[in-house]
Amino acid sequence: AQSVTQLGSHVSVSEGALVLLRCNYSSSVPPYLFWYVQYPNQGLQLLLKYTSAATLVKGINGFEAEFKKSETSFHLTKPSAHMSDAAEYFCAVIPNSGNTPLVFGKGTRLSVIA
Amino acid sequence: EAGVAQSPRYKIIEKRQSVAFWCNPISGHATLYWYQQILGQGPKLLIQFQNNGVVDDSQLPKDRFSAERLKGVDSTLKIQPAKLEDSAVYLCASTINTPRAYNEQFFGPGTRLTVL
Repeated sequence: AQSVTQLGSHVSVSEGALVLLRCNYSSSVPPYLFWYVQYPNQGLQLLLKYTSAATLVKGINGFEAEFKKSETSFHLTKPSAHMSDAAEYFCAVIPNSGNTPLVFGKGTRLSVIA
Repeated sequence: EAGVAQSPRYKIIEKRQSVAFWCNPISGHATLYWYQQILGQGPKLLIQFQNNGVVDDSQLPKDRFSAERLKGVDSTLKIQPAKLEDSAVYLCASTINTPRAYNEQFFGPGTRLTVL
C-alpha cells in the first residue's frame, strides 16, 4: 500500500530561518504528491503538488518542494520563516491517477519563534 | 465560487449518543470524500462517493457509521452509537470529475466531534 512518512512531529524554527519539513513516500509507480497546510480550527489548504511535471514545485506563501525519485522524498522548504507559517503541515500521496483518496502522513507541527 | 460547507463546526456528545454531520460540496463536484482526522494524526478516508454511489467504504466502521448522498449533492455522515474513540475532526472534501489524471480535492472546515 502507498504511504508517506513525515520525519518529525514537531519542528521549531526562528523567524527568518530556513524551514525544512521532511516527507518520504513509498510507491512502486510515480505518484502524485502533495503538501497541505492546516491552521487551527480550519480545514486543509493545498500548498503545492507534484504531478509528474517539473521536479521542483513552487507553491503558495513562498513554499517549494523538490521531488527526488532516487531518494523517494518530497521535502518542503521555505527560505525564511514567518510567524504566520505556524501551522500543521501534511504530506499526502495519491497512489493512482483519477479521483482516488489522498493518503496522508501524520503531520508536522511547525512553530515559529520570534 | 463557494467552497465546501460543513455543519455543525463543533459537536459535543456523550458516548452511546447519536450524531450527524452534513456536507455541501462545491457545485458541480461529482466526487465527495469523508475523512476522519484523529488528534495527532493525518486524515484517513472513511468513504468516497461518486454522484450518489459509493466508490469506497472499506474503512468505514459500518457497525456504527453510515453515510449517504441521496441526490448526488449533499452528504450526511452519521455515528450511532458514538464511542470515545470517535472523537476527531470529520473533514469533507470534493472534486470535479474530468478525464485528467489528477483533480484537486477541496476541503471543508471540518466538524470537530468530542465524545465524553
